[in-house]
Amino acid sequence: DVKVTQSSRYLVKRTGEKVFLECVQDMDHENMFWYRQDPGLGLRLIYFSYDVKMKEKGDIPEGYSVSREKKERFSLILESASTNQTSMYLCASTRNHGGGRAFFGQGTRLTVV
Amino acid sequence: SQQGEEDPQALSIQEGENATMNCSYKTSINNLQWYRQNSGRGLVHLILIRSNEREKHSGRLRVTLDTSKKSSSLLITASRAADTASYFCATDGNTGRRALTFGSGTRLQVQP
Repeated sequence: DVKVTQSSRYLVKRTGEKVFLECVQDMDHENMFWYRQDPGLGLRLIYFSYDVKMKEKGDIPEGYSVSREKKERFSLILESASTNQTSMYLCASTRNHGGGRAFFGQGTRLTVV
Repeated sequence: SQQGEEDPQALSIQEGENATMNCSYKTSINNLQWYRQNSGRGLVHLILIRSNEREKHSGRLRVTLDTSKKSSSLLITASRAADTASYFCATDGNTGRRALTFGSGTRLQVQP
């Protein structure tokens, strides 16, 4: 069964901490995405990557960075966590040429205190 | 930017009834997809309809697409309590960006 796995289901971090959210997919997909989900706002795209070492900003990249050193792994980094980054974070992947069916991880609920 | 907007935001029905959710979007698309999310979990793909298609079926799901009105609907027939979830439409705009744009979702509650 194909899988996208996020490293944590729940995380609690302190304001100012550097936070790493990890995502691994086993489908050899070229494209990987990070979204955040907040009530009433749906899913908003933070960053995406269509190849190793390539990244593009989504709609809300401020306060975040990403790393893709290997095809199967896409990391989201909160450089200095703030309380307004408390949210559900969702990783997804798709095959090349985009727009196809997306496979999602189970989500990471991050609380910044 | 929110490309897809679902309507209604919340829907409560009895088991056995049909549930209809609508999605409107703003720009031209290559395809439109519907996803389901159980509470606190990731999204699961339900169905994809391409821009040159008008209707598609999958089991109890029926999706329509009207590109002239930039809208889509998802019909779940003979609903079950297990259909309780949030449903999202997602569009693949033909802008070259390889990312889906999601709406804010419809929360469906099916009462047993």
